[in-house]
Amino acid sequence: EPEVTQTPSHQVTQMGQEVILRCVPISNHLYFYWYRQILGQKVEFLVSFYNNEISEKSEIFDDQFSVERPDGSNFTLKIRSTKLEDSAMYFCASSDPLLTEAFFGQGTRLTVV
Amino acid sequence: GNSVTQMEGPVTLSEEAFLTINCTYTATGYPSLFWYVQYPGEGLQLLLKATKADDKGSNKGFEATYRKETTSFHLEKGSVQVSDSAVYFCALSDNSWGKLQFGAGTQVVVTP
Repeated sequence: EPEVTQTPSHQVTQMGQEVILRCVPISNHLYFYWYRQILGQKVEFLVSFYNNEISEKSEIFDDQFSVERPDGSNFTLKIRSTKLEDSAMYFCASSDPLLTEAFFGQGTRLTVV
Repeated sequence: GNSVTQMEGPVTLSEEAFLTINCTYTATGYPSLFWYVQYPGEGLQLLLKATKADDKGSNKGFEATYRKETTSFHLEKGSVQVSDSAVYFCALSDNSWGKLQFGAGTQVVVTP
């Protein structure tokens, strides 16, 4: 069964460092998303991406965040200068062209120290 | 703006008990409604969905009916198993980009 794959599963980084979280969406999907879940809190939408551009972003997705689909396969989330409060589980998701269902990856746990 | 409210957990119950998790929403227009499940150590999986009023979504013995008059999408299962222990998230989507808005999640613990 096709699945969304995220790497790494756990990333520890020092405050102020840049991190790149990687995702491989399902191959025929056209819509891509990043969500995050701070420990003990709800899953929050960060950004959606379609046709090689951001289609929608939340207030959380400020200038320190960026997304890219560099090679038609991977979908990355970059956090330029990490803060302690960026520590969370980050989920990548993708949807088929008809938006029938969003498939989620297993998440990357980011810990900023 | 849109919002999803679901009952707080944890919900602890015995195997074969009846499970209900309440979910209500606020949205303009006619959103699609979803229940996602997160098993320990895993990502989010779609459990069921409903795209219009009075639709009933069902999967793995779980059911939820889209009630527009009460703006609710309560999840039910008649006889839970230990393997149903997980966190359950109610969510809605109301735009063309498929963005999901989640409730806070309800942890369910089923004991033998």
